[in-house]
Amino acid sequence: TQLLEQSPQFLSIQEGENLTVYCNSSSVFSSLQWYRQEPGEGPVLLVTVVTGGEVKKLKRLTFQFGDARKDSSLHITAAQPGDTGLYLCAGTDSWGKFQFGAGTQVVVTP
Amino acid sequence: DAGITQSPRHKVTETGTPVTLRCHQTENHRYMYWYRQDPGHGLRLIHYSYGVKDTDKGEVSDGYSVSRSKTEDFLLTLESATSSQTSVYFCAISDGPTSGSYNEQFFGPGTRLTVL
Repeated sequence: TQLLEQSPQFLSIQEGENLTVYCNSSSVFSSLQWYRQEPGEGPVLLVTVVTGGEVKKLKRLTFQFGDARKDSSLHITAAQPGDTGLYLCAGTDSWGKFQFGAGTQVVVTP
Repeated sequence: DAGITQSPRHKVTETGTPVTLRCHQTENHRYMYWYRQDPGHGLRLIHYSYGVKDTDKGEVSDGYSVSRSKTEDFLLTLESATSSQTSVYFCAISDGPTSGSYNEQFFGPGTRLTVL
């Protein structure tokens, strides 16, 4: 059973468009992380959010943590082909265990 | 990049044979994790370790065992491999929730295991 639900599962857009990926749970997390994974490689950490309502920006990527610390979103502005990849969210509990969502495959075509 | 290596990177084995995957870190992180990644399931935790000789089960631990005799090494063993264990296995490390940091996780490059 996946405690973290990601949507959509797949997203295909043109270069220059915006996109949003969602990560939802019924559980409260100590923190939530977003990763990007490319084929044949391990996930790479993009950001960690820890405070309810927190918003973090990383160049064209904006990450938001829900007020109740149960959900998060990732917004990409003016997507580029280099943004193509599998985006994963993961929640962590106070025991050090991580729970991952199934991932959102993003494809940005020139 | 965090110093995490996994070996072997690729392995093909037959049903019923034992298999051991190794994860080695040079970051002196306290926590180490083994995940498997399958299409449609994301990353699922197999076992994790919160210190030398301290391990605990994850959500898909059946058929797997682990050992950690040194801070830097975390071994995953499939005692008798089955075709359902064909997957990509990732090791990860973190400082843990008590470090005062965000308990951020860093991943190795993965091991692709095929059980025929």
